[in-house]
Amino acid sequence: ETGVTQSPTHLIKTRGQQVTLRCSSQSGHNTVSWYQQALGQGPQFIFQYYREEENGRGNFPPRFSGLQFPNYSSELNVNALELDDSALYLCASSSPGTGENTIYFGEGSWLTVV
Amino acid sequence: AQTVTQSQPEMSVQEAETVTLSCTYDTSESDYYLFWYKQPPSRQMILVIRQEAYKQQNATENRFSVNFQKAAKSFSLKISDSQLGDAAMYFCAYLYAGNNRKLIWGLGTSLGVNP
Repeated sequence: ETGVTQSPTHLIKTRGQQVTLRCSSQSGHNTVSWYQQALGQGPQFIFQYYREEENGRGNFPPRFSGLQFPNYSSELNVNALELDDSALYLCASSSPGTGENTIYFGEGSWLTVV
Repeated sequence: AQTVTQSQPEMSVQEAETVTLSCTYDTSESDYYLFWYKQPPSRQMILVIRQEAYKQQNATENRFSVNFQKAAKSFSLKISDSQLGDAAMYFCAYLYAGNNRKLIWGLGTSLGVNP
C-alpha cells in the first residue's frame, strides 16, 4: 500500500465527452504528478502540481487540465475525449522539500474511450 | 534532454536463478535519482529500488540489487533467487533532483519466470 488512492478505477466514455479523475496523495506529500500510460508503453508525464500550482507540464494539449486542492489531493480533467486518450492514468505523490525523493504511485484509473 | 534506454524488451529466468536487467541513461546533470519500478498485470506501479547519484554504494533491497556505474551512465537491476511473483514489467526511471520532478521512463522489460 502506497497511501495514494485514485478513483474511479475503471470507466468508459464516449468520444467528445469530458472526464475527471481523482487522486488523494500520500499523507504529508505536497506534490502530485499525473502520467498517461498507453498499452505496451512506458508512462508519459502529463503535469505536476506543487502546493496548488502547476509547476511542470509534458507534451499534452490544453484539453488536459488539472487542479490541486489545499489538502493536496488532485484532479485530472480531459475535455473533448479522443480515442487515443484510452490509457491507464497514474497519479504519483512525493514530498521533495523533506528530502524524501521517492515517488509513490496509485493503482491507476483505466479510461476507455469508445 | 534526459533519456532512459532499456535494450531488453523481454527476458526470462528459471525460478531460483539470477537475472540482470539493463538500463542506460543520458543526462548532463550531476544530481539525480534512479529507480526501478515493477508493474505486474494489475498495472500498479511498485517501487523496487532507488539509487541516489551522489552515493557510490550500490543500493540493495533483499533479493534486489543494482549495479550503478555513474561514469558509464548504466543502472542495471539484479534479481537473485527469482520467484514466480517476480514476473512483471520492469521500468527503469530517472528523476532530476531539481524543481520539476518529472520521471523519465524507459520502455520497460517484460520478465517471465519459469517454474
